[in-house]
Amino acid sequence: QTVVTQEPALSVSPGGTVTLTCGLRSGSVSTSHYVSWYQQTPGQAPRTLVYNTNTLSSGVPDRFSGSILENKAALTITGAQADDESDYYCVVYMGSGIWVFGGGTKLTVL
Amino acid sequence: QVQLVQSGSELKKPGASVKVSCKASGYTFTRYSIIWVRKAPGQGLEWMGRINTYTGTPTYAQGFTGRFVLSFDASVSTAYLQINGLQTEDTAVYYCARRDYHDSVDRFDPWGQGTLVTVSS
Repeated sequence: QTVVTQEPALSVSPGGTVTLTCGLRSGSVSTSHYVSWYQQTPGQAPRTLVYNTNTLSSGVPDRFSGSILENKAALTITGAQADDESDYYCVVYMGSGIWVFGGGTKLTVL
Repeated sequence: QVQLVQSGSELKKPGASVKVSCKASGYTFTRYSIIWVRKAPGQGLEWMGRINTYTGTPTYAQGFTGRFVLSFDASVSTAYLQINGLQTEDTAVYYCARRDYHDSVDRFDPWGQGTLVTVSS
């Protein structure tokens, strides 16, 4: 069973706004989980987008933002572009030196 | 610049072992842990474990204990993932990444380019 939950798939229109979420099967996500978000396109290594819940990694466009929304971590893309079409993963620190990735969200821009 | 370079693709038979390397450059190797992540075909990313390159302590995720061994050689700034008793289900791309943990930063960055391990008879 998936401990960290993400929407399997979402779609957004070019220029639109979409929010991806990252929750826990039991309990709430907080800043103490040090959530980070990664973008992965086929055949490429993951790319860091956001860390520590809401800090944008260097070089990442500011149309990406991270937050906590209703007990889940969230990644919002404002003004989506075609090259935002990717898989997105959150990873949550569970304590005791263990992290767990969510199942990933496949984002389609159409 | 900070960089992780992984070893090349491997083709192994079931039951064999494989050792994937991850060579770091551009920073002091023992200051940052290295994590390993699996990406199986059609599946998502899985956090496999971490090796503390200062203390030498490995930590393994559930499901990656027993056959999986994390190690490193600080003299050549290289971390290793060894998988013993390979099974066809181990076919995946394996990534290493640095746990970039300092000041208020805590992220996995940078990442290696990935190593494809194919297990087939």
